[in-house]
Amino acid sequence: AQSVAQPEDQVNVAEGNPLTVKCTYSVSGNPYLFWYVQYPNRGLQFLLKYITGDNLVKGSYGFEAEFNKSQTSFHLKKPSALVSDSALYFCAVSFSGSARQLTFGSGTQLTVLP
Amino acid sequence: EAQVTQNPRYLITVTGKKLTVTCSQNMNHEYMSWYRQDPGLGLRQIYYSMNVEVTDKGDVPEGYKVSRKEKRNFPLILESPSPNQTSLYFCASSLSTTGANEQFFGPGTRLTVL
Repeated sequence: AQSVAQPEDQVNVAEGNPLTVKCTYSVSGNPYLFWYVQYPNRGLQFLLKYITGDNLVKGSYGFEAEFNKSQTSFHLKKPSALVSDSALYFCAVSFSGSARQLTFGSGTQLTVLP
Repeated sequence: EAQVTQNPRYLITVTGKKLTVTCSQNMNHEYMSWYRQDPGLGLRQIYYSMNVEVTDKGDVPEGYKVSRKEKRNFPLILESPSPNQTSLYFCASSLSTTGANEQFFGPGTRLTVL
């Protein structure tokens, strides 16, 4: 079975400061890891993914994430937060051969304060 | 424009009245899926489809039906809705069935069952 944990329901950060949204996972085999963002009254939008290769993955809107196999983590980061980054962020995991594909975390509400 | 469309966007109904939420994608994707989103629970998969006429249960299939008669369409059917099916529903599609491709999400359907 595969699972994802997002330990923080809410993260607040001041505009201009770096932000981190945490994600840990559990999966049999090599994981495929994803981050999605949801703005109010919108569907989920893909931000970035790790499949294989370089552990540091860069994605849309200046976001990046680091795959850490030993800690089974895939934290989302951005060097300088914008007010417009305020949204609900979901981490998701899959693995090769997984017919059901994505298992989502419970989500982290990011609020960037001006 | 590449997209996943869902209809209706909002629906209020009463217990026991059959309803269908339509989902269509124009990207020739193999994989399609339905999720429900509830506060604090993230997204949970209801049903998924690997190809035409191939569907399977996700994590929370009770009370739902699906069909995949054409590659582009994947309707969600609630034959006898109950109040515990009040939720935000998302349809999604993915290019392949490997699990390595990101999913594209529709805008969501907010369902209220009275």
